[in-house]
Parts: sequence; C-alpha cells; structure tokens
Amino acid sequence: DTEVTQTPKHLVMGMTNKKSLKCEQHMGHRAMYWYKQKAKKPPELMFVYSYEKLSINESVPSRFSPECPNSSLLNLHLHALQPEDSALYLCASKSNRGWTEAFFGQGTRLTVV
Amino acid sequence: DQQVKQNSPSLSVQEGRISILNCDYTNSMFDYFLWYKKYPAEGPTFLISISSIKDKNEDGRFTVFLNKSAKHLSLHIVPSQPGDSAVYFCAVANSGNTPLVFGKGTRLSVIA
Repeated sequence: DTEVTQTPKHLVMGMTNKKSLKCEQHMGHRAMYWYKQKAKKPPELMFVYSYEKLSINESVPSRFSPECPNSSLLNLHLHALQPEDSALYLCASKSNRGWTEAFFGQGTRLTVV
Repeated sequence: DQQVKQNSPSLSVQEGRISILNCDYTNSMFDYFLWYKKYPAEGPTFLISISSIKDKNEDGRFTVFLNKSAKHLSLHIVPSQPGDSAVYFCAVANSGNTPLVFGKGTRLSVIA
C-alpha cells in the first residue's frame, strides 16, 4: 500500500467554523508533512512531523494547528480561517531513505467563505 | 525570493517529439533534485531524481540533466505522449531528507 489518503477531498467552511483535515498512511513512514498550494503557486511547506513530534513550523499562523496522534495519522485543525487561506492542502509522507520513497496525498481543496 | 525557478509556465509539444522542461535554483547547498508530475485533482507523484554527484539520470523516456555550475537542471521526455500532459514541478532538497522546496511548475501539453 503506497498510498497517502487525505479526507475530505473538498471542504467549504465559514470564517467562524472549526474543521479538521485528515491524512493517513500505512507505509511505516515516520516523517509527515503539510504543504499548502495556492493557484499558480508552488506547494509551500507548513509543518513537518518526525516520529510524531513537530520538527518544523514554517511560521504558520496559529489558526492552523497540526496534530500527529500516531505514526499513521496527521491532522490539521482549522479555526477562524480567512478567505485568503483558501488553497489546496497537501499531505506527504516519506521514508528514512529520502524523497524517492515519499508519497503525496490527493490534497484537500479548501474554500473559506 | 524564489529559491527554485521554472520560468516557463507552459509548454506545448507535438506527440513523438522531445519535451524539455527547465529549472534553475539559487542555493548551491541544494544537492538533491526531483521532478514531480501532477494531474488535476491529484497530488504530485514522483517522476525522477538526481543527486549532485551525477550530471545525468535516465529512466525510460525520462532523463534529468544537472549542471551544477549553472545551478540548472532539465527534464527531457522523449518521445512525448499525450498522457504526459500534466504540470511538472521541479523540487530540491539538501541531502535528500530536508523538506522539499518546489518551483512554480510548468504545464506541459502534448498534442496528438
């Protein structure tokens, strides 16, 4: 199973809502990533988890709150987002052998209204 | 300031001909380079990579060339097929395990 599963595929939320994005992999990868991609822009790193611990936070606003409850699951909790946070949110997992053994999920297309 | 630049937002190529996608990077500390392919409504999928100790890596129809002195890499696809139509991202890392930094992507259209 070389799959990273992200749910939901699409999400529309209001600025006062609280929602969560979910990412799951069963490849035993211990590095997991959240990237954000806006239209016509490259994916930009948000967070890195290594062995279930947050190792990199790229100065992401606190309205985005990541969580790694176990080695297979990565969540991104969303609260009080702004319309400019609308984007494609990509999750990736990577083995210790490097990026040639890494997989991206399909992404969650988030629209904040 | 962009660390990875793909200066051609789009490229159109006839089926059977060669597609050449280019990528420039600014930081000489990067030593691991990858190309990803992305279809609409899907996540990026790994295509081919090269480390800084090589200047060429070939996998079937796909070849990546690295010119370290020019901080430039290119992806050659030959022969191009309609199924190759997608957005291609160049991505770089330091020692293969640091987070990837992506270019903006080049949309390739292969015309039958």
